[in-house]
Amino acid sequence: QKEVEQNSGPLSVPEGAIASLNCTYSDRGSQSFFWYRQYSGKSPELIMSIYSNGDKEDGRFTAQLNKASQYVSLLIRDSQPSDSATYLCAVNIMRGGSQGNLIFGKGTKLSVKP
Amino acid sequence: KAGVTQTPRYLIKTRGQQVTLSCSPISGHRSVSWYQQTPGQGLQFLFEYFSETQRNKGNFPGRFSGRQFSNSRSEMNVSTLELGDSALYLCASSLSGWGYNEQFFGPGTRLTVL
Repeated sequence: QKEVEQNSGPLSVPEGAIASLNCTYSDRGSQSFFWYRQYSGKSPELIMSIYSNGDKEDGRFTAQLNKASQYVSLLIRDSQPSDSATYLCAVNIMRGGSQGNLIFGKGTKLSVKP
Repeated sequence: KAGVTQTPRYLIKTRGQQVTLSCSPISGHRSVSWYQQTPGQGLQFLFEYFSETQRNKGNFPGRFSGRQFSNSRSEMNVSTLELGDSALYLCASSLSGWGYNEQFFGPGTRLTVL
């Protein structure tokens, strides 16, 4: 079982719609969860972090975490063509009590059509 | 505050050579993590340094090594390069590297092995 799984996409949404990106993880002990955006040819850029169950909103972005279901999602409201990128889910997975490295999903490619 | 910097940005090497990549973290950040990104495998964790000590290591051969200096700057070295080492190498810095700390990526070094 892969540790962090995302649908590879591409996910295509029209401009102005809500884009919903999903991620599941295998380690129940995981404590922190991150969403990164990566434009083609660029490095990942942190857009959201979430540590507690529930929703966390930042502008047009909402991260949702459900630890019981081992599920984290990212909603992008009023999607813009500039949101077209690959979105990476990252989870801090405990290994023998040690933390400090992130495990990444392979990313979901989002395309926002004008 | 300046972001994470990496040098060089691009490198072309031949099989069997060795290479050293450099990373300067955000001022005040003491943890530096290194990742390899390839189209097939995605982002994979190499190792993490904090206070000049390697705290975590991923599943890479011993040809991959690193170190951190007292000013938190870090270098990674790849010896006896193989074609499969062609990748984008990313470093990320965080305050302490523990679970709740957000990691911020540098622009990466694109390594091509011929």
